Amino acid sequence: DAGITQSPRHKVTETGTPVTLRCHQTENHRYMYWYRQDPGHGLRLIHYSYGVKDTDKGEVSDGYSVSRSKTEDFLLTLESATSSQTSVYFCAISERSWDTEAFFGQGTRLTVV
Amino acid sequence: KNQVEQSPQSLIILEGKNCTLQCNYTVSPFSNLRWYKQDTGRGPVSLTIMTFSENTKSNGRYTATLDADTKQSSLHITASQLSDSASYICVVSGQAGTALIFGKGTTLSVSS
Repeated sequence: DAGITQSPRHKVTETGTPVTLRCHQTENHRYMYWYRQDPGHGLRLIHYSYGVKDTDKGEVSDGYSVSRSKTEDFLLTLESATSSQTSVYFCAISERSWDTEAFFGQGTRLTVV
Repeated sequence: KNQVEQSPQSLIILEGKNCTLQCNYTVSPFSNLRWYKQDTGRGPVSLTIMTFSENTKSNGRYTATLDADTKQSSLHITASQLSDSASYICVVSGQAGTALIFGKGTTLSVSS
């Protein structure tokens, strides 16, 4: 999986608790992305980063925040988890911008009860 | 609105048979189109990329076509194998600085 590690791989949490998912890459790619994948929907972009401390929102960013303090790490935080955030979360990386190949991690299955 | 529509939603075929998956898009301007394969429990992996000037591209038993005029692409799988069972996702890239547009995928099941 192109040197991308997501942690944890599975998590069950309670409504209202904060949750942080981690994406770690060893490829030194500039761009990093967080997507969520739900039945009946394509992959949807939550947030992305185009460099250390440079981040921007995607189409479904409400309820999520991100941070990137190092090139290799991109964190996704659910400030107060809700049941609607139960999903599979994928981290992706790409070397340049949108029109280059994105490499995906193995995903994190998050269940909010 | 930029959209990517895939058909069929799901498909079941016998091992050894061929199949074709369709992707229609409304993304404009267009940069490129990728087909990704996603095995159950894994992240998507790129199979092939099609740029505006390309009509056909092969990757082993996978052949992708692109008609930029009608904004249609297809992925043809020849002599299917059990390992081809997966979701196939069409992803379109517009101009630089715009987000990738993902289709919902076609779930292919190959049975013996």
